[in-house]
Amino acid sequence: QKEVEQNSGPLSVPEGAIASLNCTYSDRGSQSFFWYRQYSGKSPELIMSIYSNGDKEDGRFTAQLNKASQYVSLLIRDSQPSDSATYLCAVTPSGAGSYQLTFGKGTKLSVIP
Amino acid sequence: DAGITQSPRHKVTETGTPVTLRCHQTENHRYMYWYRQDPGHGLRLIHYSYGVKDTDKGEVSDGYSVSRSKTEDFLLTLESATSSQTSVYFCATTPGGPNTGELFFGEGSRLTVL
Repeated sequence: QKEVEQNSGPLSVPEGAIASLNCTYSDRGSQSFFWYRQYSGKSPELIMSIYSNGDKEDGRFTAQLNKASQYVSLLIRDSQPSDSATYLCAVTPSGAGSYQLTFGKGTKLSVIP
Repeated sequence: DAGITQSPRHKVTETGTPVTLRCHQTENHRYMYWYRQDPGHGLRLIHYSYGVKDTDKGEVSDGYSVSRSKTEDFLLTLESATSSQTSVYFCATTPGGPNTGELFFGEGSRLTVL
């Protein structure tokens, strides 16, 4: 069973702080990693994708990937109340069917004004 | 945003009745997916399609069937609905290629089976 694990939270951070969201995965051959944001009652939307080890920055968001440790994280700098949502980590498994995504259960983030 | 619409958005039905959810896309994306989302379980893949009339099972396919007769439409059928199928169902699409993990989601369909 290929698994993606996330701390369910809730993770509470004050406005302006850095929020750090973490994800581990079991399939060592996974190649593609994604972060989706889901507001309450809404559908998920892609906010970051990362395919190689290291950091990838997009505005206030930074995705970090460490394949050796099977670990991917999302940092949100200068957190805003509008960042309050559930963040889903998703991984494309290796091998046949690599177009299927496996999602973690999500981490709920609450940014306190 | 990808044009993905789901219908119906809300449905209440009785145990044992058949239910069909429709996903319609205007993006000409090759891959289409049906997920269900439940508290404590996250998003789980039910079925997916990699082309017209090409479908395959996902993680939780028992009790569900799908059909894709046109690129733009992907139907999910619950042959005989059960209370355990009460859930929020999301359709998703992607154009495929190297970015197949970059999914676009529909608004979701909330199904309640009494």
